[in-house]
Amino acid sequence: AQSVTQLDSQVPVFEEAPVELRCNYSSSVSVYLFWYVQYPNQGLQLLLKYLSGSTLVKGINGFEAEFNKSQTSFHLRKPSVHISDTAEYFCAGRDTGRRALTFGSGTRLQVQP
Amino acid sequence: DTAVSQTPKYLVTQMGNDKSIKCEQNLGHDTMYWYKQDSKKFLKIMFSYNNKELIINETVPNRFSPKSPDKAHLNLHINSLELGDSAVYFCASSQGQGTQPQHFGDGTRLSIL
Repeated sequence: AQSVTQLDSQVPVFEEAPVELRCNYSSSVSVYLFWYVQYPNQGLQLLLKYLSGSTLVKGINGFEAEFNKSQTSFHLRKPSVHISDTAEYFCAGRDTGRRALTFGSGTRLQVQP
Repeated sequence: DTAVSQTPKYLVTQMGNDKSIKCEQNLGHDTMYWYKQDSKKFLKIMFSYNNKELIINETVPNRFSPKSPDKAHLNLHINSLELGDSAVYFCASSQGQGTQPQHFGDGTRLSIL
């Protein structure tokens, strides 16, 4: 069965600093991977997705993620964060043979001035 | 213009009551979902319907009953509410169950007194 692990529950960072939010997955089959962002009192919005092909995927708001099959990771990065990036970030995955998404436990990104 | 809309946004009620949450999507998607997000932000799939047919039914008490009158609607009825049902419930939709991302509503915050 697939699982998705987000190693950091909170990541504090100063404005304009780079950030990396970590995500690891376990799956015995091919997998589709997603990053979603949740702003306070809102639903989840898709940031980016990896289906196949290029392992570096670019998303909205300057975020990007790299699929690393050997390390079973899909870390999210941004070179320079803004206060407005403060939110909860969820990594999610789906085995090609399953119908449901499995979500990680979320990482709270707190951008400080 | 709202793509996935849920009502109500907030629901405060007493233990033992029966309540419903409604969800509608205007994206023309054929698949809809209900997720539960607990107080620690953990997201878990509850149900999914594809073209009005139940395709995912995770381990959820049978007090929870989804109903899909058509492809654009997926309602969630909860009988005999318990304290542990307090959570944020998210509706989502997608085109198919494969590579397409899911679009989420803003959530319904259910509080049981």
